[in-house]
Amino acid sequence: NAGVTQTPKFQVLKTGQSMTLQCAQDMNHEYMSWYRQDPGMGLRLIHYSVGAGITDQGEVPNGYNVSRSTTEDFPLRLLSAAPSQTSVYFCASSYGQGMSNGYTFGSGTRLTVV
Amino acid sequence: AQSVTQLGSHVSVSEGALVLLRCNYSSSVPPYLFWYVQYPNQGLQLLLKYTSAATLVKGINGFEAEFNKSQTSFHLRKPSVHISDTAEYFCAVSTHGYSTLTFGKGTMLLVSP
Repeated sequence: NAGVTQTPKFQVLKTGQSMTLQCAQDMNHEYMSWYRQDPGMGLRLIHYSVGAGITDQGEVPNGYNVSRSTTEDFPLRLLSAAPSQTSVYFCASSYGQGMSNGYTFGSGTRLTVV
Repeated sequence: AQSVTQLGSHVSVSEGALVLLRCNYSSSVPPYLFWYVQYPNQGLQLLLKYTSAATLVKGINGFEAEFNKSQTSFHLRKPSVHISDTAEYFCAVSTHGYSTLTFGKGTMLLVSP
């Protein structure tokens, strides 16, 4: 019963490098989303998906791409990393519109761009 | 658009005191509301949620929150806090057809001996 798994837990990138943050869930949840957490800003939505093949932008999508080819996986891609993308990234999943169980969050990826 | 305002970025109390963390929301549809706690260098843990059932919601670790529709509030309280309650607390409202969350900026609670 893994829940939501994020990898890696820590990453240091140089400006201009690309990378993919992985997110996988084993609960057959329809909804998945990515957030970034910055001090004093709370968590802000980057991209989200309501099902396989369907994605949409959140509040802060610039510089990030996503795809959802399967129900289980929702990777977040940084095409050309910038210092402003230094943050802690959380992936979350949930099912249905009933929301009776809230959202399940991964343990986060701490990204530093130098 | 839905939004969340948490009043007070930092709250300091003594162990055993009552604590009240304030959250006001705006939503164009009946909201689902949540409180999450984040301990230092950890992920988010669900404290409690309101999903249109009873207005007084009881959560884990002795926390409770009351949904007030007329005041658009969902304040979190605990009658007697412990040092281990030191953490950051986030209020959130469901958005995008209930598929995502909009978070407040958080309130850091410091409980001293």
